Amino acid sequence: DTGVSQDPRHKITKRGQNVTFRCDPISEHNRLYWYRQTLGQGPEFLTYFQNEAQLEKSRLLSDRFSAERPKGSFSTLEIQRTEQGDSAMYLCASSSPPGGEWNTGELFFGEGSRLTVL
Amino acid sequence: TQLLEQSPQFLSIQEGENLTVYCNSSSVFSSLQWYRQEPGEGPVLLVTVVTGGEVKKLKRLTFQFGDARKDSSLHITAAQPGDTGLYLCATLKAAGNKLTFGGGTRVLVKP
Repeated sequence: DTGVSQDPRHKITKRGQNVTFRCDPISEHNRLYWYRQTLGQGPEFLTYFQNEAQLEKSRLLSDRFSAERPKGSFSTLEIQRTEQGDSAMYLCASSSPPGGEWNTGELFFGEGSRLTVL
Repeated sequence: TQLLEQSPQFLSIQEGENLTVYCNSSSVFSSLQWYRQEPGEGPVLLVTVVTGGEVKKLKRLTFQFGDARKDSSLHITAAQPGDTGLYLCATLKAAGNKLTFGGGTRVLVKP
């Protein structure tokens, strides 16, 4: 399977604990995005990378959130000192380079990592 | 105020009925995408519309981009239970390929 994969699919944690999510994008895609989605709402942009560079961060991304993509391949999203308001689905997506032959503007999403903070 | 407003928020219909969902904005867009998201899954692209007035068909789904490129609609003919899901419109900001989504319309098609 060459789709976007995310791990874990589900995480239940207690308030105040740290959690980390991993995303493996489609291998030839150099752009990687993180979105957050609460129940019944559309996804909200958090941040994106082009290769290993983090090019944009949303104001939604508080200082408790950190994302990395050290080698330009997989990415991690860490949430420190979790709060109940962090409960959501965290979606990762990837896309091919802009302007390239295969770029259609489409984002390819993983199945998401659902976080529940008790 | 959201950049993209979707209506209705929820729609429940019987199998075989038709439905239309809307995506509206006060801004002009160079393109607009429609995604469908099933429970427990990530969104999947259905179509991209680019030209004002454009109409695209995907089997029983018809997508229209407004003449002024500020709004779009999705019409489903003879809905089936497999059409159940969250329908999301999204606009692409060229710099960074960053997608901004609407709040979505949740569609339930009952057998």
